[in-house]
Amino acid sequence: GQNIDQPTEMTATEGAIVQINCTYQTSGFNGLFWYQQHAGEAPTFLSYNVLDGLEEKGRFSSFLSRSKGYSYLLLKELQMKDSASYLCAVRLSSGTYKYIFGTGTRLKVLA
Amino acid sequence: GAVVSQHPSRVICKSGTSVKIECRSLDFQATTMFWYRQFPKQSLMLMATSNEGSKATYEQGVEKDKFLINHASLTLSTLTVTSAHPEDSSFYICSARDRGNTGGSNSPLHFGNGTRLTVT
Repeated sequence: GQNIDQPTEMTATEGAIVQINCTYQTSGFNGLFWYQQHAGEAPTFLSYNVLDGLEEKGRFSSFLSRSKGYSYLLLKELQMKDSASYLCAVRLSSGTYKYIFGTGTRLKVLA
Repeated sequence: GAVVSQHPSRVICKSGTSVKIECRSLDFQATTMFWYRQFPKQSLMLMATSNEGSKATYEQGVEKDKFLINHASLTLSTLTVTSAHPEDSSFYICSARDRGNTGGSNSPLHFGNGTRLTVT
């Protein structure tokens, strides 16, 4: 089976930095993606890692360690609009490259 | 950027009826589309992989006769919920990957806006 785990909920303060962790055990690996999803809306793509290391995109950064089956999303200079669910997804390497999503983390940013 | 259009956004139907949801890739071709289901405050659960010109591949536990998938062209996949029941009420969302990026590059999934299905 496929297991992708994230903390269920996190709370942080506006202007702060928050790290959302994701651990995975999957049958194959062809990249890890982070998505943001506001309630009732479609997920939007944030970041992608396929090699070990840190990828930075503005206020968002994502890190991957394939040997540890671990990734994190780092959000800097938090804003109220960052309150959303954050989903990590693993793209499997076989067949049609299915994307399996983690449990999702609901982030609440407080003023 | 790549756009996926999903229709309808909301539908309310009576128990026992069937509902069709359309998913279109507007500015790219998609040989593969994915259908997900999402319950409140939960993550996306992959239901099936829709392949253009061939049968869909269903995930374990998903009834293929209840959730009919048709991928007749490179830009359109449909999901039909047959004989819907209240427990089928959920948020259904489709996604696609640009055919020009078949996984060898950092091609993310592009999502439709989802369909909120309520079965009364």
